[in-house]
Amino acid sequence: GQSLEQPSEVTAVEGAIVQMNCTYQTSGFYGLSWYQQHDGGAPTFLSYNALDGLEETGRFSSFLSRSDSYGYLLLQELQMKDSASYFCAVYTGTASKLTFGTGTRLQVTL
Amino acid sequence: EPEVTQTPSHQVTQMGQEVILRCVPISNHLYFYWYRQILGQKVEFLVSFYNNEISEKSEIFDDQFSVERPDGSNFTLKIRSTKLEDSAMYFCASHGSGGASSYEQYFGPGTRLTVT
Repeated sequence: GQSLEQPSEVTAVEGAIVQMNCTYQTSGFYGLSWYQQHDGGAPTFLSYNALDGLEETGRFSSFLSRSDSYGYLLLQELQMKDSASYFCAVYTGTASKLTFGTGTRLQVTL
Repeated sequence: EPEVTQTPSHQVTQMGQEVILRCVPISNHLYFYWYRQILGQKVEFLVSFYNNEISEKSEIFDDQFSVERPDGSNFTLKIRSTKLEDSAMYFCASHGSGGASSYEQYFGPGTRLTVT
């Protein structure tokens, strides 16, 4: 089977940096995606890592270590609107489903 | 920007009734998915669809579920006889092929299904 574990909650102050971790166990692996979901909203794609290393997109960065089956999402210069749930998701190939993690609920405070 | 649309946004039905959830994927996308999310839980895969047939389905997608692409634009999920535990948010998603399009799934806003 496949499993992805994430911390359930994290709280950080506006303007700070926060890292949200994801560890996975999966049979077959193409890459790790990150999705943001606001309450009542749909998951929105943030990033994708197929290879080891860091990918940066604006305030968001995502890291993958395939040998450790581990990844993280880094958010810089936190804003109140970043308060949401963040899911890692394993992608196992073309026309393949996403298997989502348990999600980390981020609360940004003043 | 193109988007996936879903109707209705909220569906209330009685246990044992049939429901059809509708989705219009992004027009040039080729791969279609249904996921569901029970309140407060993670998103779970139900089924993937490509080239007018099911590519993969989860154990949740039993004989009570079916999908169809009746024309060139709509993609539907039918639940034949709803159960209380089918209450969830149902998301449709799609993506294209080649490069980033092959892994960036676009999700619709969801249909909240409430079975009473």
